[in-house]
Amino acid sequence: KNQVEQSPQSLIILEGKNCTLQCNYTVSPFSNLRWYKQDTGRGPVSLTIMTFSENTKSNGRYTATLDADTKQSSLHITASQLSDSASYICVVSGSLEAAGNKLTFGGGTRVLVKP
Amino acid sequence: DVKVTQSSRYLVKRTGEKVFLECVQDMDHENMFWYRQDPGLGLRLIYFSYDVKMKEKGDIPEGYSVSREKKERFSLILESASTNQTSMYLCASSLTRLASYNEQFFGPGTRLTVL
Repeated sequence: KNQVEQSPQSLIILEGKNCTLQCNYTVSPFSNLRWYKQDTGRGPVSLTIMTFSENTKSNGRYTATLDADTKQSSLHITASQLSDSASYICVVSGSLEAAGNKLTFGGGTRVLVKP
Repeated sequence: DVKVTQSSRYLVKRTGEKVFLECVQDMDHENMFWYRQDPGLGLRLIYFSYDVKMKEKGDIPEGYSVSREKKERFSLILESASTNQTSMYLCASSLTRLASYNEQFFGPGTRLTVL
């Protein structure tokens, strides 16, 4: 069964500090992996996407890494800001999805940045 | 920019009522999706559609139906609302069925409460 596990479930960090979120998956075959940011009461918004051949991707202060061999990804937030308070969701897409674009979602990590 | 809109941000209904949730996207996307999001369970796919008048069951279709009469509009219907359908409902769309183009763009969500 395809699964995406994220850790930790939640974390609190002080403004200006860095943090790293983890994502482990068992989706096979593999097409790409995305990290989404979801503000409270809003829909998720894509931060990064990585395919099999990419092992790092940055979007401002967000840097995602991918190890396709160990099926692990991480999202690193540098110099956190209050606006980074949100849930971060790891989403894995399998290729050859005959039913069209079905994704496997992780449960998310809730990040709270305190001043 | 892709825009996915949902007809209501908040909705309160009574048990047994018929409920319609509407979603509209303005980027001529082929695929549209309905998810529900519950604490600790992440996003779960209810139904999706990759063409007008086409629909496919997701992981949790029981108690729901959908309608796609026009390419830009995808409706979720709760024939007889029950309290266990209280949830956040998210609509999404993506360009094509090809895996490499399958970023899903999400609407803002509808928080439905069934009393």
